[in-house]
Amino acid sequence: AQRVTQPEKLLSVFKGAPVELKCNYSYSGSPELFWYVQYSRQRLQLLLRHISRESIKGFTADLNKGETSFHLKKPFAQEEDSAMYYCALRRTDSWGKFQFGAGTQVVVTP
Amino acid sequence: GAGVSQSPRYKVAKRGQDVALRCDPISGHVSLFWYQQALGQGPEFLTYFQNEAQLDKSGLPSDRFFAERPEGSVSTLKIQRTQQEDSAVYLCASSPDRNYGYTFGSGTRLTVV
Repeated sequence: AQRVTQPEKLLSVFKGAPVELKCNYSYSGSPELFWYVQYSRQRLQLLLRHISRESIKGFTADLNKGETSFHLKKPFAQEEDSAMYYCALRRTDSWGKFQFGAGTQVVVTP
Repeated sequence: GAGVSQSPRYKVAKRGQDVALRCDPISGHVSLFWYQQALGQGPEFLTYFQNEAQLDKSGLPSDRFFAERPEGSVSTLKIQRTQQEDSAVYLCASSPDRNYGYTFGSGTRLTVV
């Protein structure tokens, strides 16, 4: 069965410090990995997807199939990065449904 | 509309009451998903529609949960004889195609008392 694990429930960092959110997955097929973000009082929104290999708001994530990881990184955290972050796996053999991790709350303090 | 609209935003139901949650997806979006998000957890898949066809309902937790999308646009998630464990945020998401990322609605927070 597929599983997405985000080991940190809460990550507190200082403004300007690097931040890394861990995500590990288990899936026997070829996965698609995503990061979603939810800012306070806003809806869940797509941050980035691994196949795009893009950087959004300074965040990057690299899919490591050997380690089955898709960690999210940003070299210099900003206060506006404070939010809830969810890692999600989309099975390529299904209807496109996602398996979400439990989420990591990021708090950036000045 | 400009986004995925869900109503009501908040619903308090007495145990045993039936509820209906509405989702209005982005116009033209073929795929529509329902997710359940319990407190402190990530969203959990409930069901999937492609147009009016319900192609996957494997995530519905019991036969008290029923979803429909009769004309391939608006969808309704119905929960019969609500129980306390049904308390959660119910999220709807739509996509132009199952291979795209989703656009989520703001959710309906259901509290069963």
